[in-house]
Amino acid sequence: DVKVTQSSRYLVKRTGEKVFLECVQDMDHENMFWYRQDPGLGLRLIYFSYDVKMKEKGDIPEGYSVSREKKERFSLILESASTNQTSMYLCASRVPRDRGNYGYTFGSGTRLTVV
Amino acid sequence: QKEVEQNSGPLSVPEGAIASLNCTYSDRGSQSFFWYRQYSGKSPELIMFIYSNGDKEDGRFTAQLNKASQYVSLLIRDSQPSDSATYLCAVKGSGNTGNQFYFGTGTSLTVIP
Repeated sequence: DVKVTQSSRYLVKRTGEKVFLECVQDMDHENMFWYRQDPGLGLRLIYFSYDVKMKEKGDIPEGYSVSREKKERFSLILESASTNQTSMYLCASRVPRDRGNYGYTFGSGTRLTVV
Repeated sequence: QKEVEQNSGPLSVPEGAIASLNCTYSDRGSQSFFWYRQYSGKSPELIMFIYSNGDKEDGRFTAQLNKASQYVSLLIRDSQPSDSATYLCAVKGSGNTGNQFYFGTGTSLTVIP
């Protein structure tokens, strides 16, 4: 089974801090994604990556950046944390489209609170 | 923006009944559709995918797809209390967005013992 591991389950950070959320997958997937999930808003795509050193903005990239230096690792960076970034952050990976219709595999999520 | 609409619920059914969850989507080019189950405080887990019109059955779960109506549904037969969760509909984008999934906000299901 594909395993997607997020480094922290819960995080509390202060306003203005730089925050790193790490995600590692062990199945050599090219595609990786970062979502945030908020009540009533569902899952919203922040950034995604098709390959090493490649990144694309999703629907809500403002205030975030990403890094993909190795295929298995996709990091989400909050440059200067703000209280409106308090959320559940979910990392996902999948095979690319030409290799089937398989769904995402999600990590266990990081619940970030910014105070 | 690709739209995926779900009735947020909550939907309550008695144990043993059939639960019916519905989803509509806006992207006519979409070809692949997924249902995820999410327990409170946990991450979503894939339970079904479907890409052909008609029904697809897997145990107590049946996914139904009607591309002409842009409608996908999930039926849960013999509902169990352990099925109580939020169910997310996901639609794989088409064209340039073919590697992205678009999610509905989810339907909360409670199965009453």
